[in-house]
Amino acid sequence: SQQGEEDPQALSIQEGENATMNCSYKTSINNLQWYRQNSGRGLVHLILIRSNEREKHSGRLRVTLDTSKKSSSLLITASRAADTASYFCATDPSGSARQLTFGSGTQLTVLP
Amino acid sequence: DGGITQSPKYLFRKEGQNVTLSCEQNLNHDAMYWYRQDPGQGLRLIYYSQIVNDFQKGDIAEGYSVSREKKESFPLTVTSAQKNPTAFYLCASSQGHGTAEQYFGPGTRLTVT
Repeated sequence: SQQGEEDPQALSIQEGENATMNCSYKTSINNLQWYRQNSGRGLVHLILIRSNEREKHSGRLRVTLDTSKKSSSLLITASRAADTASYFCATDPSGSARQLTFGSGTQLTVLP
Repeated sequence: DGGITQSPKYLFRKEGQNVTLSCEQNLNHDAMYWYRQDPGQGLRLIYYSQIVNDFQKGDIAEGYSVSREKKESFPLTVTSAQKNPTAFYLCASSQGHGTAEQYFGPGTRLTVT
């Protein structure tokens, strides 16, 4: 079953705008990770946020985590056409066999 | 140049044939994983291995088999028992498991007709 669910399923914005994607999950987690996938390629790890962290930054990426609401958001600032990709959240449920569970992803299109 | 490789990139097979997908890593990672991705969907875990000569079933293991005879290699066989094998298959590895960042190969697109 899908632990994380991303919202929206698809997002289209103009270059230079900010893009926000959300992820909701169902059970307690050790950490939450965000990955990016270009069409027809493998996934690339973007950022990991631990359950005791609330916010994390990496370049133009900002991730927040609200464990009380079981949700996370990924913000990409000043988007570029090259940011066009699918973005997935992946959770590491606590107390489990400790395998990542991936959501269904948000397809981001950045128009030049 | 460290990384994880999968071959071939595209694979075509007739229904009823078994097919083996290759996955090799030179990252010295202990854990390796196989995922299946269907169009517009997320990843579903097929099998994973945390150490050589040991592997466990994931969420959708039926119709698949794996081996882990070497740390570097984790081949996946799609058997004729898999009812709907056409999909994009992704292999990944990580140092440790669960909480660790996973490194993905470029994927193999399998089409069975």
